[in-house]
Amino acid sequence: AQSVTQLGSHVSVSEGALVLLRCNYSSSVPPYLFWYVQYPNQGLQLLLKYTSAATLVKGINGFEAEFKKSETSFHLTKPSAHMSDAAEYFCAVSEGGGNTPLVFGKGTRLSVIA
Amino acid sequence: DGGITQSPKYLFRKEGQNVTLSCEQNLNHDAMYWYRQDPGQGLRLIYYSQIVNDFQKGDIAEGYSVSREKKESFPLTVTSAQKNPTAFYLCASTPYHTGGEQFFGPGTRLTVL
Repeated sequence: AQSVTQLGSHVSVSEGALVLLRCNYSSSVPPYLFWYVQYPNQGLQLLLKYTSAATLVKGINGFEAEFKKSETSFHLTKPSAHMSDAAEYFCAVSEGGGNTPLVFGKGTRLSVIA
Repeated sequence: DGGITQSPKYLFRKEGQNVTLSCEQNLNHDAMYWYRQDPGQGLRLIYYSQIVNDFQKGDIAEGYSVSREKKESFPLTVTSAQKNPTAFYLCASTPYHTGGEQFFGPGTRLTVL
């Protein structure tokens, strides 16, 4: 069965510092992988997705993620944190793409310190 | 504007009452989903529907029911059998021929008094 593990329920960085949010997945077939962001009391917004094309995926708001099959990882990074990046981030996996349900990690709350 | 709407934004319910959460989309998406979100638990799948008049249970379907009579609507009923219904509920949809990304509504926060 597919699963997602996000290491660290809370990450705190200084403004301007590197953001690194970790995600490891388990899947029996080549996965589709996603990162979503959620601001308080709102729905989820797609940041980026991996669907077996380029292994380095660029998303919105300066975020990117690299698919590493050997490490079963899909970590999210941003070179320089901004105060507006403070939110909760979710990694998700799908084995079938299309309309197959996603399996989500438990989320990582990112705090940005001025 | 195309999108997914959920209503109401906030909902209060007395113990023992059934309550229905609305989810509507005008994106012409085929599949729709309901998730429950609790602090520190991520999103857990309640029900999903890939076509009209058909739906499947997710991981935590007990105490919930759904219907899919129209492509654009997928209401969720939280029944009195759901022991701990206080949570944030998110509806999502996806078209069939995509890379699988789901589009989310703004959510409904249900509180049982």
